[in-house]
Amino acid sequence: DAKTTQPTSMDCAEGRAANLPCNHSTISGNEYVYWYRQIHSQGPQYIIHGLKNNETNEMASLIITEDRKSSTLILPHATLRDTAVYYCIALGGAQKLVFGQGTRLTINP
Amino acid sequence: GAGVSQSPSNKVTEKGKDVELRCDPISGHTALYWYRQSLGQGLEFLIYFQGNSAPDKSGLPSDRFSAERTGGSVSTLTIQRTQQEDSAVYLCASSLAWGSNQPQHFGDGTRLSIL
Repeated sequence: DAKTTQPTSMDCAEGRAANLPCNHSTISGNEYVYWYRQIHSQGPQYIIHGLKNNETNEMASLIITEDRKSSTLILPHATLRDTAVYYCIALGGAQKLVFGQGTRLTINP
Repeated sequence: GAGVSQSPSNKVTEKGKDVELRCDPISGHTALYWYRQSLGQGLEFLIYFQGNSAPDKSGLPSDRFSAERTGGSVSTLTIQRTQQEDSAVYLCASSLAWGSNQPQHFGDGTRLSIL
């Protein structure tokens, strides 16, 4: 699966949109972009995934660039409970999730 | 509906003992995965099941580790003759079907501590 690169940490004010970037310049055509998050002492939580088109669900939106080399996860109205480590993964046929260092997002009151 | 359930949530045992970890996937999910996460480390894939069969056991760290799934539902991960390096959080995930368009949903894990 393609390597992904994310900023180590980000801060966002409560109530504002949190935009988390991810680079995956070597992604192949059959690899999906997945986002998970993990809050301390809990299991990873699935957020959203996409292949080419932008996606939206009740938790977040995923914007994938036309060349698929990068994407952005958007939490539209961040709350304190969104403080977590966010992982961007390019997942292909092997189905083996590999988490890198992720982005530690802190939502400030 | 109910999510992935793992038990026990915490397990402390002495070196050399056998342990059995249980995973109850989301109802109707045919694919099941075991991972482990060591302190400060990333996610390490161990094994997955499609139905009751495990096509890929390459991630199991040693022959002390085994897993089975019966009835296409509950899975158990067994570690024999535990060692201190086995201490980690063991995570189970399930997905509706096998495929990269099928999100894996995780339980909260079993925190295993080997004394």
